[in-house]
Amino acid sequence: QSVLTEPASVSGSPGQSITISCSRSSSYYFVSWFQQHPGKAPKLMIYQGDKRPSGVSDRFSGSQTGNVASLTISGLQTEDEADYYCCTYEGYNWVFGGGTKLTVL
Amino acid sequence: QVQLVESGGGVVQPGGSLRLSCAASGLSFRAYNMHWVRQPPGKGLEWVTLISFDGSEGYYADSVKGRFTVSRDNSKNTLSLQMNSLRPEDTALYYCVKGAGSPNYFDFWGQGTLVTVSS
Repeated sequence: QSVLTEPASVSGSPGQSITISCSRSSSYYFVSWFQQHPGKAPKLMIYQGDKRPSGVSDRFSGSQTGNVASLTISGLQTEDEADYYCCTYEGYNWVFGGGTKLTVL
Repeated sequence: QVQLVESGGGVVQPGGSLRLSCAASGLSFRAYNMHWVRQPPGKGLEWVTLISFDGSEGYYADSVKGRFTVSRDNSKNTLSLQMNSLRPEDTALYYCVKGAGSPNYFDFWGQGTLVTVSS
């Protein structure tokens, strides 16, 4: 059982915006977010709560308030359909959320 | 560009051993902490171990402590994971991952190598 709680699934239509939450019982270090398509390696989408690596679309944004971090995807596209994982650091131990399956209807 | 290529996966019996390797290119390998992260088939991600940039420090998840040993050879740009006393629950795709920032986040991932522990 993960100490980071994500919804099992979210869905949205092309063009819409969705938000995936990642919560913990207490406040915590900056969160990073990963996108994983089936059969592929995870890809870093957000780090240190709200920073985007070079090459990641600005449709992806991150925020963090207290014990809740969020990943927002605006202008949903079919290629955004994937699993999304949040991750945080806990003193030389890194913890992942259980993952959220995003379906683009 | 950064490339991380894992090898060494396979099928092993419970109690057996396996050694994974990761060949790194396109980066100053000796400058970065490196990690292994695993993913059981159809399940989520689990951090396994970190080795510091110079190989002087290693940290492990409780689930593998005392059984797995991480090492690196900065002269050959390679990362290794020695896995002993393997259990069926160690069955997973093992990813070699580059660390960045402080505290580390995971900015580049290999494609993974599959380890199956089964009799």
